[in-house]
Amino acid sequence: AQTVTQSQPEMSVQEAETVTLSCTYDTSESDYYLFWYKQPPSRQMILVIRQEAYKQQNATENRFSVNFQKAAKSFSLKISDSQLGDAAMYFCAYRKSIQGAQKLVFGQGTRLTINP
Amino acid sequence: DAGITQSPRHKVTETGTPVTLRCHQTENHRYMYWYRQDPGHGLRLIHYSYGVKDTDKGEVSDGYSVSRSKTEDFLLTLESATSSQTSVYFCAISLGTGGTEAFFGQGTRLTVV
Repeated sequence: AQTVTQSQPEMSVQEAETVTLSCTYDTSESDYYLFWYKQPPSRQMILVIRQEAYKQQNATENRFSVNFQKAAKSFSLKISDSQLGDAAMYFCAYRKSIQGAQKLVFGQGTRLTINP
Repeated sequence: DAGITQSPRHKVTETGTPVTLRCHQTENHRYMYWYRQDPGHGLRLIHYSYGVKDTDKGEVSDGYSVSRSKTEDFLLTLESATSSQTSVYFCAISLGTGGTEAFFGQGTRLTVV
């Protein structure tokens, strides 16, 4: 079975600095998707960024970027120029199949605190 | 925001009572899901549906049943609630093709006392 591990239960960073959240996963599949979701105190799950495993180029969305290392099964999220609104729980998630149902496997989450 | 409504948003119930949570979507998405969120576990898939009357089990399906009689509604039932089912429950929807996003509802906090 696929597993996703986030080894940092909590992280903190000064406002305007850069922080990297770690995620590793285990799979025998060659085609899959990886996601980072943000969950603010409102509890809403918000997609931050997605990565297709067959793409070598790392995904980027404004201040958010990933470092995808397929051989190492690593998928870290870098947040640049951290803002107070970035404070939230962040979940790494894996999706096995590229077609059909979005059966996501989530990591345990990392709580990110932004210090003003 | 994706048109997903979960009801109720909060519920307290007693051990042994049946509980039904409802998820309603206005997006006409084919796939619907129920996840539960617990500290230290992230979100875990309970059941999902790939069409009207078509459902399948997820990772943590014991003690739960689901039904989907209409495209827009997906019900999660706890036949006899236990304290271990105290959790936050999320409904999600997706189109199901490629890497399309799964959209989540606001969650239902269920407490079993």
